[in-house]
Amino acid sequence: QVQLVESGGGVVQPGGSLRLSCAASGVTLTNYGMHWVRKAPGKGLEWVALLRYDGINKYYADSVKGRFTISRDDSKNTLYLQMNSLRTDDTAVYYCAKASGWLADSWGQGTLVTVSS
Amino acid sequence: EIVLTQSPGTLSLSPGERATLSCRASQSVPSNYLAWFQQKPGQAPRLLISDASSRATGIADRFSGSGSGTDFTLTISRLDPEDFAVYYCQQYATSPLTFGGGTKLEIK
Repeated sequence: QVQLVESGGGVVQPGGSLRLSCAASGVTLTNYGMHWVRKAPGKGLEWVALLRYDGINKYYADSVKGRFTISRDDSKNTLYLQMNSLRTDDTAVYYCAKASGWLADSWGQGTLVTVSS
Repeated sequence: EIVLTQSPGTLSLSPGERATLSCRASQSVPSNYLAWFQQKPGQAPRLLISDASSRATGIADRFSGSGSGTDFTLTISRLDPEDFAVYYCQQYATSPLTFGGGTKLEIK
């Protein structure tokens, strides 16, 4: 059974940085792509980034391109999202999700990021 | 970028009734790579439907998806009290992947 557990959320000032982690069990990340998706308070779901199974090809939403980096550590079977130059509109619950092809078919429970001074 | 527009924004129905949710794309979704997700407060999204009409594992058969090209529909044949939630469509054919704005299904 696939289990995805996010961590690393918290409160950070505008302009600051944060790294989110997504520890996977029941699935080997080298076999699957992985997404980050976020939900801001009172808003809908927003796709953030995708790392393909090859660990090389990466795709980003325009709203985070140049500021966020998706990566993984195969030895730890863990996905990351490095978030730099954070803005108040990055405040959201961040979810990681396993991708079959590009379909997000299994999701973690999320971690809350609050960007505030 | 493919823009997805969901309607209505809010749908008020009673348990036992039929719900019809719409998702319209700004351009044709390649290979009908259109998914539907359910999200309840404080919970992660749950995949209901993929490829426009394929039910995900463990999803009740009262949920069905239809459509192709630019017009897609999620139908819940008889509403159960646990079905009241927010529903999102998503295209996963091209980057950037995009979600619709959501339909809130509330108890009348």
